[in-house]
Amino acid sequence: DAGITQSPRYKITETGRQVTLMCHQTWSHSYMFWYRQDLGHGLRLIYYSAAADITDKGEVPDGYVVSRSKTENFPLTLESATRSQTSVYFCASSESDVREQFFGPGTRLTVL
Amino acid sequence: KNQVEQSPQSLIILEGKNCTLQCNYTVSPFSNLRWYKQDTGRGPVSLTIMTFSENTKSNGRYTATLDADTKQSSLHITASQLSDSASYICVVSLHYGGSQGNLIFGKGTKLSVKP
Repeated sequence: DAGITQSPRYKITETGRQVTLMCHQTWSHSYMFWYRQDLGHGLRLIYYSAAADITDKGEVPDGYVVSRSKTENFPLTLESATRSQTSVYFCASSESDVREQFFGPGTRLTVL
Repeated sequence: KNQVEQSPQSLIILEGKNCTLQCNYTVSPFSNLRWYKQDTGRGPVSLTIMTFSENTKSNGRYTATLDADTKQSSLHITASQLSDSASYICVVSLHYGGSQGNLIFGKGTKLSVKP
């Protein structure tokens, strides 16, 4: 499928478990991003990547790890999930810093 | 502190009516301002992107304006439809020589269009 996809769409896990959220884009965009969206907050940037093997922290990186070995994939890992990481996670990609970002459909994560 | 404030938080209008959403920002240095539409349960979709030199940009029934002097933007929706029911998010980009980690998001305005 063309575009940007995320998996899983829904995930329930327990405190302390490791969870990986997947993001895949078919446009060969250089830039990819991970955001979380919580009630009462705007979208907040967790990590971003300007190209394969280049990643950088955003506003709320603690407790998350990313990697980008291939241009099209940008997985987000919660190494030891906490209840405060219950959120909706969005992945996005863009061609450049002045072009629009295209968002995936989101992953709703619940940490019990 | 770099901030983006949107008003109102929520808005209910009747189908066919017009409405205007507001965005005020205190972001410097400014690169561009974006409006996104986010349907419930879905990712945001870009409506417009405006740079410093642009003061109006349209996308169908959506028209965004930007006053860089007063640091205000508005999104005007003409002849609203039920499908316009969504959250509308204002996003301001900082100008840091091309860095992508510098988008400041507003909390959004939740628009409900009633028949």
